[in-house]
Amino acid sequence: DGGITQSPKYLFRKEGQNVTLSCEQNLNHDAMYWYRQDPGQGLRLIYYSQIVNDFQKGDIAEGYSVSREKKESFPLTVTSAQKNPTAFYLCASKVRDGVNQPQHFGDGTRLSIL
Amino acid sequence: QKEVEQNSGPLSVPEGAIASLNCTYSDRGSQSFFWYRQYSGKSPELIMSIYSNGDKEDGRFTAQLNKASQYVSLLIRDSQPSDSATYLCAVNPSVRAGSYQLTFGKGTKLSVIP
Repeated sequence: DGGITQSPKYLFRKEGQNVTLSCEQNLNHDAMYWYRQDPGQGLRLIYYSQIVNDFQKGDIAEGYSVSREKKESFPLTVTSAQKNPTAFYLCASKVRDGVNQPQHFGDGTRLSIL
Repeated sequence: QKEVEQNSGPLSVPEGAIASLNCTYSDRGSQSFFWYRQYSGKSPELIMSIYSNGDKEDGRFTAQLNKASQYVSLLIRDSQPSDSATYLCAVNPSVRAGSYQLTFGKGTKLSVIP
């Protein structure tokens, strides 16, 4: 079945540690997105990529980094510079062309500080 | 000014009633509009999309769009306890049309009382 796979489901970070969240999709989608959701809040865009080897900062990119070496994969690294990383992280993808095409989401990764 | 606004709720309706969820947006040039349902602890799932003025029906769900008033709503007929969730309104603003980014509201929590 086609879909978006995020791993791990739960992740714990120690002080000063970088952690990487995985996002893989087999939908043949060009565009991929990373969002952060805090309790009672909407989704805020961290980074997005419309094509391999290219990505753009979203509204809250500070303390995060990404790569897009393959069409299927868009990993997010939460660096030690992100002082408040505890949140629900969601990866999404969509067909690049067509403003009317929706984004579809993976199941998310919940990150907490140890 | 917030780009996408929703009443946070909770909105409580009795089982079998019509639930009405509302969303306003600030960018008059916005082109596409989506409603996502998010159960507690889960990722958002797309339930409706609408692009032109008027009503769009899909089963028990009806999306309504009024671009002149910058207003989009979701009606849920014959509400069921399984409809209890947070409903996120998402808009593709014109300023972000080229990257197909979405701006999300904070969501309205719906509770259907048996």
